[in-house]
Amino acid sequence: ETGVTQSPTHLIKTRGQQVTLRCSSQSGHNTVSWYQQALGQGPQFIFQYYREEENGRGNFPPRFSGLQFPNYSSELNVNALELDDSALYLCASSLGGGNYEQYFGPGTRLTVT
Amino acid sequence: AQSVTQLDSQVPVFEEAPVELRCNYSSSVSVYLFWYVQYPNQGLQLLLKYLSGSTLVKGINGFEAEFNKSQTSFHLRKPSVHISDTAEYFCAVSVVDSNYQLIWGAGTKLIIKP
Repeated sequence: ETGVTQSPTHLIKTRGQQVTLRCSSQSGHNTVSWYQQALGQGPQFIFQYYREEENGRGNFPPRFSGLQFPNYSSELNVNALELDDSALYLCASSLGGGNYEQYFGPGTRLTVT
Repeated sequence: AQSVTQLDSQVPVFEEAPVELRCNYSSSVSVYLFWYVQYPNQGLQLLLKYLSGSTLVKGINGFEAEFNKSQTSFHLRKPSVHISDTAEYFCAVSVVDSNYQLIWGAGTKLIIKP
């Protein structure tokens, strides 16, 4: 059984640029949630996708957007990057439909300079 | 709205000593409760969860936690820690019958002293 994978592992972007982060969910999982973890803090919920539809969103501006594909993999897009967007971005997959248990990928470390 | 408070940002403890990491939550609705561990430069791993039933739950690596509804607490314990337990521990809640998004505490760094 393949776990949750994320790419890239690290990347560095300049303020104002755009970035796309990718996540492959665990086999059989149809729900993906994205979290932002700033240094020294707990994760913050960005949004969740269930069967290709957004299924809840945290307190993040519209420049944070996402997609889920028919194979349930997912992308997180961030436009007009700001310095405060520097963080570890975590993807978690779950079975959805009321299943609470989320399995996390290793994360993508984004640095905005 | 729900919130989670982890009362200690760091807990130093000697190897083989017991440890308790504290977590309190605030919610007006039913929640599920979780503890996750994050080793350096890694993602989050589920240690244990409380959904319903017995208030004492056992998890991996010898950890256990007790749900106390009256005190809205879910403290994590281990009777004897090892150097390999050095990590950051996060308490989280999710609202029952929601999209199960997790609301997190700020984390507690467990520092094991030899």
